[in-house]
Amino acid sequence: DAGVTQSPTHLIKTRGQHVTLRCSPISGHKSVSWYQQVLGQGPQFIFQYYEKEERGRGNFPDRFSARQFPNYSSELNVNALLLGDSALYLCASSLTLAGWETQYFGPGTRLLVL
Amino acid sequence: AQRVTQPEKLLSVFKGAPVELKCNYSYSGSPELFWYVQYSRQRLQLLLRHISRESIKGFTADLNKGETSFHLKKPFAQEEDSAMYYCALSPPGGGGADGLTFGKGTHLIIQP
Repeated sequence: DAGVTQSPTHLIKTRGQHVTLRCSPISGHKSVSWYQQVLGQGPQFIFQYYEKEERGRGNFPDRFSARQFPNYSSELNVNALLLGDSALYLCASSLTLAGWETQYFGPGTRLLVL
Repeated sequence: AQRVTQPEKLLSVFKGAPVELKCNYSYSGSPELFWYVQYSRQRLQLLLRHISRESIKGFTADLNKGETSFHLKKPFAQEEDSAMYYCALSPPGGGGADGLTFGKGTHLIIQP
């Protein structure tokens, strides 16, 4: 198993555009969480999905949305991009909803908004 | 609101010296606390959690509820300990509603 995979690894967008980031969890993991990590800061929680349902949401505007598919992969969508959305977006998967001890992070997608 | 504070952005110690990475938290209740580590060019990974009370790679962390602290310690630093360390908190019993709350991280450099 390659672990949690994310695509793309890097991308550049301009203000106002839309972006979709993708995450494939470890096989057997049913929970996917998304985090935003701005340079110099720790990761900040955006969403958690478990069994295809949203189970948690951080303090992010409605421009941020996500979904989880039947195969447990997930997409994070950000509309109307702002310069401040430039960050590393991390995906993490775990076996269960509160399974922090089994949570593994992906390598991240680095988004630059110009 | 829950908050995690890591007061040191950068900590530099010599090989063989003791290491203490500070973490203070704010939470009304008894949270679960974790230390995560990110080595150069590697993924963020769980180092230890307070519930398991274990020592990983020589590191230990003691939860002090009175001082709301969860400092990470190692008696003798090794060069391979150089990394970014994040303290994190979750509500008791886990649960996804608030996810993990991370501190800003401390960059630990072990000098030879």
